[in-house]
Amino acid sequence: NAGVTQTPKFQVLKTGQSMTLQCAQDMNHEYMSWYRQDPGMGLRLIHYSVGAGITDQGEVPNGYNVSRSTTEDFPLRLLSAAPSQTSVYFCASRQTGGEGQPQHFGDGTRLSIL
Amino acid sequence: AQSVTQPDIHITVSEGASLELRCNYSYGATPYLFWYVQSPGQGLQLLLKYLSGDTLVQGIKGFEAEFKRSQSSFNLRKPSVHWSDAAEYFCAVSTSGTYKYIFGTGTRLKVLA
Repeated sequence: NAGVTQTPKFQVLKTGQSMTLQCAQDMNHEYMSWYRQDPGMGLRLIHYSVGAGITDQGEVPNGYNVSRSTTEDFPLRLLSAAPSQTSVYFCASRQTGGEGQPQHFGDGTRLSIL
Repeated sequence: AQSVTQPDIHITVSEGASLELRCNYSYGATPYLFWYVQSPGQGLQLLLKYLSGDTLVQGIKGFEAEFKRSQSSFNLRKPSVHWSDAAEYFCAVSTSGTYKYIFGTGTRLKVLA
């Protein structure tokens, strides 16, 4: 099993460009989420999904879109990149059936916006 | 609102010394609590979790944590630190009735040879 796979690992964008961060999991997990990690701020939830076709906003959703057409994939779209979106982005998944289920994380995408 | 506090941003210990990383939470009901470790350039790996029952939980890599309801704490401990334990450690709480995790801001551990 590959677990949670994120692509690309690194990306540099110019302000105003758009891009999609990919996330795929092969564990048949219903719940998937996107976080951003910034120094001194821990991980902050951007968007999450509890199953195909169902998404909801997290703590810091502005400037990001998500969709969930399959159980496996949960892409994160930056509509018009801004320097404030320079961060490390992590995708995670977990089984449903209880909040006690631990999350499985990808290795992250390091994004720089110039 | 629920919150997780890790009061120590950086901790430095000598190899072989004991370690305790602090975590305090604010939550009305009994939470589900987790500790994750993040090595440089990597994602987060689960060390251990508390769901219910025995308040002392054992995890991987020789770590343990104790849930103390009266102090709203879930501190992570290790009796003897190895150089490979140098990493960033995150405490997290899962909130009942939602699917969201709340993470602390992390503690970066440095191990001196």
